[in-house]
Amino acid sequence: DIQMTQSPSSLSASVGDRVTITCRASQSIARFINWYQQKPGKPPKFLIYAASNLQTGVPSRFSGSGSGTDFTLTISSLQPEDFATYYCQESYTSPPYTFGQGTKLEIK
Amino acid sequence: QITLKESGPTMVKPTQTLTLTCTFSGFSLTSSGVGVAWIRQPPGKALEWLTLIYWDDDKRYSPSLKTRLTITKDTSKNQVVLTMTNMTLVDTATYYCAHHLPYCINGVCSSALDYWGQGTLVTVSS
Repeated sequence: DIQMTQSPSSLSASVGDRVTITCRASQSIARFINWYQQKPGKPPKFLIYAASNLQTGVPSRFSGSGSGTDFTLTISSLQPEDFATYYCQESYTSPPYTFGQGTKLEIK
Repeated sequence: QITLKESGPTMVKPTQTLTLTCTFSGFSLTSSGVGVAWIRQPPGKALEWLTLIYWDDDKRYSPSLKTRLTITKDTSKNQVVLTMTNMTLVDTATYYCAHHLPYCINGVCSSALDYWGQGTLVTVSS
C-alpha cells in the first residue's frame, strides 16, 4: 500500500498568515492526491482534487501543488474558519486510497 | 443535493459483528462510475479508508481489514451496508460513509470523496 506522510503534524499560526502543509507519498502518485478539511465533531470537507483543482465553493485562498511524491496545501491568508485539521489522501490507480495522518492547524 | 446518513448500533461487545447502514439520496448507485465508501476515525486519530462499492458491484477492501469486512448495496433502497466481524476495543471509532466521485482530467481518471455523512460513533465495550 501507498503510505502518506504529512508534515507538520500540528501548526500554530495567526489570522492573515500564509500556511503550507506538506504531504509525501511513499511512491509516485502522479497528481492523484486529494485534500480535506475537518473541524471538531464534523465530517471531512472535500477541498482539492488532482493536486491543484479546487472543489466548487472552496475559497481561492486555498491552493494545492505538487506531483510525484511531494505535495503541498497552501492557505494564502488564514481566516478564523480555517483553523481545523487537514488530511491528504492518495487516489492513485485503484483502492485502497490511504489518508495521511493529518495536520492540526491551531490559532497562535 | 447529495446526502448520506449512517445508522446502526452505538455500542457493540467484543467479538460481535457490527452492521452499519448508509442511506443516501441525490444520486443513484446504478450510474456508471459512482460508488460509496466507508471510512472510520478513532477518537482523536486519523481517518482510515475501509471499503468501497461501485455501481457495478465491484468491491474493494482495506488489505489489513479485508477478512473482517463485507460491503453490499441495495439500489432499490438507496442503501449500502457495511459488516465488520469480530469487533475489538480498537475498532471504537466514528464510521463515515461517503460518495465516491470519479473524475477525469486530460484523459486520466481518478476519484475523491466529495460528500460525507455526519458519521456514527460506535463504541466497543463489554
